[in-house]
Amino acid sequence: GQQLNQSPQSMFIQEGEDVSMNCTSSSIFNTWLWYKQEPGEGPVLLIALYKAGELTSNGRLTAQFGITRKDSFLNISASIPSDVGIYFCAGQVKTSYDKVIFGPGTSLSVIP
Amino acid sequence: NAGVTQTPKFQVLKTGQSMTLQCAQDMNHNSMYWYRQDPGMGLRLIYYSASEGTTDKGEVPNGYNVSRLNKREFSLRLESAAPSQTSVYFCASRLHLIESFSGNTIYFGEGSWLTVV
Repeated sequence: GQQLNQSPQSMFIQEGEDVSMNCTSSSIFNTWLWYKQEPGEGPVLLIALYKAGELTSNGRLTAQFGITRKDSFLNISASIPSDVGIYFCAGQVKTSYDKVIFGPGTSLSVIP
Repeated sequence: NAGVTQTPKFQVLKTGQSMTLQCAQDMNHNSMYWYRQDPGMGLRLIYYSASEGTTDKGEVPNGYNVSRLNKREFSLRLESAAPSQTSVYFCASRLHLIESFSGNTIYFGEGSWLTVV
């Protein structure tokens, strides 16, 4: 079945540094979503991508929909302490429009 | 504006017991989801429902049943709980519009912490 892989699994960075993380799959997705989850809460949508090659920004966050439709990337520029959390990619399955599956997440820690 | 409401928030079950997690959304969304979250595993889709009266299996449906009672409510039932079902369960909903940020946003409930002993 479909499965998403995220790397790195965790990151420890200094405040002000840029962050890059990615998400890959062996299956094709027609929508990529990036979520952030903070402790004790449900995930919150950050960016949605709909077309191969699409590059979308949301403040300091930028995400790209891979050309092959099997991967996506999220970059965070000039990290700040409130960026701490778990970042999940999620993909909408090509063959089943409503089925949305999530990757295992990248845990981000920012050292002030 | 409650959004997605799920109950109970915490539950301890003995192996073999049954229980139902309730979920309701007041946003008139079409799609509803049940996910479980375990450390290092992310959110895994149990079941989903594209509309009232339809349900489909997700990634990890074994040991669970669901009911889309109406457009608002989507319940998850554990018929015979097992320790492997100890997890945090999230109900979620989505309006379901093509290429729309608001339509694609999945709104999550606050989670239900379930422990099976």
